[in-house]
Amino acid sequence: NAGVTQTPKFQVLKTGQSMTLQCAQDMNHEYMSWYRQDPGMGLRLIHYSVGAGITDQGEVPNGYNVSRSTTEDFPLRLLSAAPSQTSVYFCASSLDRPQDTQYFGPGTRLTVL
Amino acid sequence: SQQGEEDPQALSIQEGENATMNCSYKTSINNLQWYRQNSGRGLVHLILIRSNEREKHSGRLRVTLDTSKKSSSLLITASRAADTASYFCATDAVSNFGNEKLTFGTGTRLTIIP
Repeated sequence: NAGVTQTPKFQVLKTGQSMTLQCAQDMNHEYMSWYRQDPGMGLRLIHYSVGAGITDQGEVPNGYNVSRSTTEDFPLRLLSAAPSQTSVYFCASSLDRPQDTQYFGPGTRLTVL
Repeated sequence: SQQGEEDPQALSIQEGENATMNCSYKTSINNLQWYRQNSGRGLVHLILIRSNEREKHSGRLRVTLDTSKKSSSLLITASRAADTASYFCATDAVSNFGNEKLTFGTGTRLTIIP
């Protein structure tokens, strides 16, 4: 199993550009989530999904969209990038519920100029 | 605002000493988990403690939970250089739509000095 994969590893955007961060898992996990990590802020929950077709907002959802059309994939879309979205983004998945062990991807380092 | 906060923010100890870090959270929980993050990597699960448990052990790790004080502590005994990492607590909560979610604290940066 590849586990949780994220692409790209690094990305530089200009203000106003849009892009999609990809996240995929091959463990047949129902629960998937996106976090951003900023210095001194820990991990903050952006969006999460409890299964295909079901998504919900986390602590910092503004400026981001998600969809979950399949169990395997959970892409995160930045609609119009802003410098405040410069961060490291982590995708995670677990078998069924958030209290199950979370498996994290390697992260995407995003810089918005 | 974040559910959990770790204390201290940073901790440096000599190899072989014990390291203790604390987590405080705001709302009632069902479970609390601890994760470790090595520099630049994704987080790795360490241990889970349920709200009806007061203490749990796993190898050199000991976790306590005090639901009346809304706090947890992680003790790492006989520290090693490889324990150098950031440590995060995570708690589950239920959203307004009835979905369960997992939120993390701000983390403790642990440095083990050889």
